[in-house]
This record gives sequence, structure tokens and C-alpha cells, in this order.
Amino acid sequence: ETGVTQSPTHLIKTRGQQVTLRCSSQSGHNTVSWYQQALGQGPQFIFQYYREEENGRGNFPPRFSGLQFPNYSSELNVNALELDDSALYLCAISRDSLETQYFGPGTRLLVL
Amino acid sequence: AQRVTQPEKLLSVFKGAPVELKCNYSYSGSPELFWYVQYSRQRLQLLLRHISRESIKGFTADLNKGETSFHLKKPFAQEEDSAMYYCALSRNQQAGTALIFGKGTTLSVSS
Repeated sequence: ETGVTQSPTHLIKTRGQQVTLRCSSQSGHNTVSWYQQALGQGPQFIFQYYREEENGRGNFPPRFSGLQFPNYSSELNVNALELDDSALYLCAISRDSLETQYFGPGTRLLVL
Repeated sequence: AQRVTQPEKLLSVFKGAPVELKCNYSYSGSPELFWYVQYSRQRLQLLLRHISRESIKGFTADLNKGETSFHLKKPFAQEEDSAMYYCALSRNQQAGTALIFGKGTTLSVSS
């Protein structure tokens, strides 16, 4: 068990607002990746952080941003929320940037 | 473009029947492929990756580069295999790895 936790579990926001989602893991897992999973779809890669630096990005606009902290926990920030941002947001950790990724339970975001 | 295709949204089988979940990919390079599974009310978890060549919970998957496929197989399905299954491709970037997922197949095993 890799001990990946995400908070909050559920969240409701309105269009135009900003949201911050959090992910934490055991020490030693220095890489965190974020994914968006819309209903009926597979997860889509947003970006990855390795040792506090962004290490790759998917096809998401700049209003999706992130941070990784020295203890390897991470935040996903989304500005100017749109209705299509409603989805399950998953974080995944790995011991190194090229290693197997282990997923958290996700945060379900609803934008009204 | 890199892509993973799972052509079946739902696969229903009876307990004891063989199972094959299809996965096709497009990738220019040497792909690294995975199967992830999500049981009801649980998080997404790794089932197997092709480089490990392991059999997990009786499931196996063979990478066929000629047919660009990575189908998941089990000879005798069990009710506890009912879950959502995702095939994923690892896209190595300059540094780091992004997983590209298919849309998933729901496996339903009934007695």
C-alpha cells in the first residue's frame, strides 16, 4: 500500500471560481502526476512533478497549474472554472519519474 | 498520435468462461503497456505491466507489436473479476512518464 491520499473527496464550485486539490504520499515517492477523468472516459494526463519541478504536461490550458512541496505532497490549482472541468481528478505517485504510478482515490469536482 | 483503443465498453461473461479484454495502441517507438483495474468503490490499481511478464490474479497479457495489441486474458472468469479495466500506454517524455489510457471496458461476470 502506497498511502496516497487526496482531499477533499468531493467539491462543488461555480463557473469562474478557483479550486485547489491536494495529494499527499509517503516519503520516497518523489514524483506525482495528475489526471482528469471525465465521466465515461479514461484518465487524461494533466502534468507531472518531479522533485518540485514540472516534468511534463498534457494538453491542458495554463489555468491548470500545480505545485509540489519538499515533503512531496502536491496541489492542483484550476482557475476560471468551466462547466467542462467537472470530473474526477486523480493523483498518482511513483518512486521516480519513470516508475510505476500508484493512484489516489480521487477528488470529484462538480462545476455549476 | 499516441492512442489506446479499447473497443468494448462492456463485456459480459459467465463464471468459468474465458475472458479476453481487447486493447490496441498506436505509438511510434517501443511502447510500455499496462493494465489497470478499478473494482467497485476502490481506487485505480495496477493489474500488470508487460515488462514484468507476471500473471496477476490469473490474468496475462501479451504484447503483439505486429498487431499493436495488448489483450488481457484469463482462462476462467470469477465473479470477483467484475470491474472496470483500463489499458494504458506509457509515453516517455524528455523526463518523466505520462500514461495514456483507453476509455475502459466494464467486465461483468455472472453465475
